[in-house]
Order: sequence, then C-alpha cells, then structure tokens
Amino acid sequence: KAGVTQTPRYLIKTRGQQVTLSCSPISGHRSVSWYQQTPGQGLQFLFEYFSETQRNKGNFPGRFSGRQFSNSRSEMNVSTLELGDSALYLCASSLDSGRPTGELFFGEGSRLTVL
Amino acid sequence: DQQVKQNSPSLSVQEGRISILNCDYTNSMFDYFLWYKKYPAEGPTFLISISSIKDKNEDGRFTVFLNKSAKHLSLHIVPSQPGDSAVYFCAASAAANFGNEKLTFGTGTRLTIIP
Repeated sequence: KAGVTQTPRYLIKTRGQQVTLSCSPISGHRSVSWYQQTPGQGLQFLFEYFSETQRNKGNFPGRFSGRQFSNSRSEMNVSTLELGDSALYLCASSLDSGRPTGELFFGEGSRLTVL
Repeated sequence: DQQVKQNSPSLSVQEGRISILNCDYTNSMFDYFLWYKKYPAEGPTFLISISSIKDKNEDGRFTVFLNKSAKHLSLHIVPSQPGDSAVYFCAASAAANFGNEKLTFGTGTRLTIIP
C-alpha cells in the first residue's frame, strides 16, 4: 500500500511569491491534514479536509489556504511568501472511521525555503 | 500559547537503559494522547497512544503513562536501542474534535541512544 506522497520535496522561493504544495493520501483515507514544522515550534496545525470540505483550521493567516479534490488529493497554497514561511510542510492522512484516533500517516514533507 | 509542552529538547541515554520522555499539557479538554517518532528526512510515524480513561498503555518496549491530575504523560522505552535515536513528539486531541483529526503537538525531544 503506497504511503502519503508529497510533491515537491524541496523548493526555493523568494519573498512575495506564492507556492502550491500537493499531497496524495493513502488510498481509502478520506481525511487530509496539513502541518507546518519549524525549529522550536514543533508541528503546528494548518487545516484539515474531509470530503472536499475544510473541517478545521489552525491559527494561520489567510495567506495559507488549501483544498481537497474528489479523489481526496489535497493542495495547500501560500501566497505573498514571507521569510518566516520557511519550514517543512507535512501532510497527513487518516482513515477517519468516525471515531477520532489521532493516528495520522504522514508524508515525508515539502521543505520550503523563502529567500 | 503552547498547550502541549516538551521541556527537554534533547536526551541522551546509554544503550540498554531506560529512556523516559516527558510531556505536559495545559488544556483539560484533551482526552487522547499520542507519541510520534520522527527520523531525519522522514515524516513522523505513530508510536503509541493512550486514552484519558487509562493511566497506562504498553506496546512491546514502549509504555506510555498518563497522570491526568498533573496533566502529565511520559513515554518509557525499555531497553533503549540505537534505532530509537530520533525526535519524539507528544500530541494531544480533544473530544470536541470528534471526527476531526486535529492534533496539538509538542516541540519534540531529540533522543540519542549511546552505544
């Protein structure tokens, strides 16, 4: 069974640009979450999608957005990039049987560097 | 506001000895707790979890203890092996997120097992 796939793995952008990151969840998983990992901050929750709907959102500015497609694949977009957006962006999927388990399956992440 | 805290950024333990990783939380709504393990260049992987109705959960060499009154949980690894060297994240979830796979993570503890 293929794991969670994130593309691209690495990218470099400059301030003011925008970026789109992609995530393909494990087959059959309907929930996709996004997290930002920075040194000293751990993993910060960005948002979670289920059946193409955003169910939950973290405390990030509106420059961070996402969406989920009918095949459960998800994208997240960051507009007007700032230096502080440099981070590892992790996507996670879960089966979501209706009972929260917290057992997320993470991809390897997309490492974004903003210059 | 860091609702899940891991106050030790790093820990070194001799191979074969016990590793104890600690985590504190402040949100009394949290009722499900998890530990994730992360190797460099990989996404976090689920290790073990515990519900607030229990005070202990074991899985092989890994045991998680929960002290609800102190809002404290710990992960014990016995015996520690070199392959256990990784960053360990504590995470928590609340029943209010039922159906939503939102986790609040700590900042992580880097465990190094010394051969």
